Amino acid sequence: QLQLQESGPGLVKPSETLSLTCTVSGDSISRSDYYWDWIRQPPGKELEWIGSIFYTGTTSYNPSLKSRVTMSVDTSKSQFSLRLNSVTAADTAVYYCASQPMAVAKPLDFWGQGTLVTVSS
Amino acid sequence: DIQMTQSPSSRSASVGDRVTITCRASQTIFRYLNWYQQRPGEAPKLLIYAASSLQSGVPSRFSGSGSGTDFTLTISSLQPEDFATYYCQQSYSPARTFGQGTKVDIK
Repeated sequence: QLQLQESGPGLVKPSETLSLTCTVSGDSISRSDYYWDWIRQPPGKELEWIGSIFYTGTTSYNPSLKSRVTMSVDTSKSQFSLRLNSVTAADTAVYYCASQPMAVAKPLDFWGQGTLVTVSS
Repeated sequence: DIQMTQSPSSRSASVGDRVTITCRASQTIFRYLNWYQQRPGEAPKLLIYAASSLQSGVPSRFSGSGSGTDFTLTISSLQPEDFATYYCQQSYSPARTFGQGTKVDIK
């Protein structure tokens, strides 16, 4: 089954860019029936969907974050990435990557363990 | 954005209890509704997709129902491992949104 693993810095300074990578194993990131998503969760708060990407590079972003988010995919490394610029303390959260099959209702069926990113000087 | 509202926000229950959680969408989402369980310190886990389809490997004590704007997650007989926070999520709109969560804790 699919396995996903987030990686990246755990501390980012305000106004800088948060960069995370998700490595996919157990199946091909280039499969034509899956999207790849990022979701975040501020400490003690609810989940927030950030965006999704297809292996071709087609993206869909949360309108509230769209101006600051860029997602990309590297099929040769079986990885997809998230960049969030101009971060503030409000971007402090556990960031998850997940897989989204093109099934009925397109659920998020496999998740990484999550990585905490703290925005602080 | 489609707003998702869960009730209650928290629920105290005992092992063996029947627990029902509701989720309401701000507009119709047909059956594009998924449910997740999140235990403390863990990633969310998919329980139910398309309002009522049980994800592979999930115990049959979990069930989902509803369509349109009103949905329900039911745990027929609460087990110790079910004490967790539950989230609904709509996937009708390209901008996915989650409910605020319902925490089920021990009475």
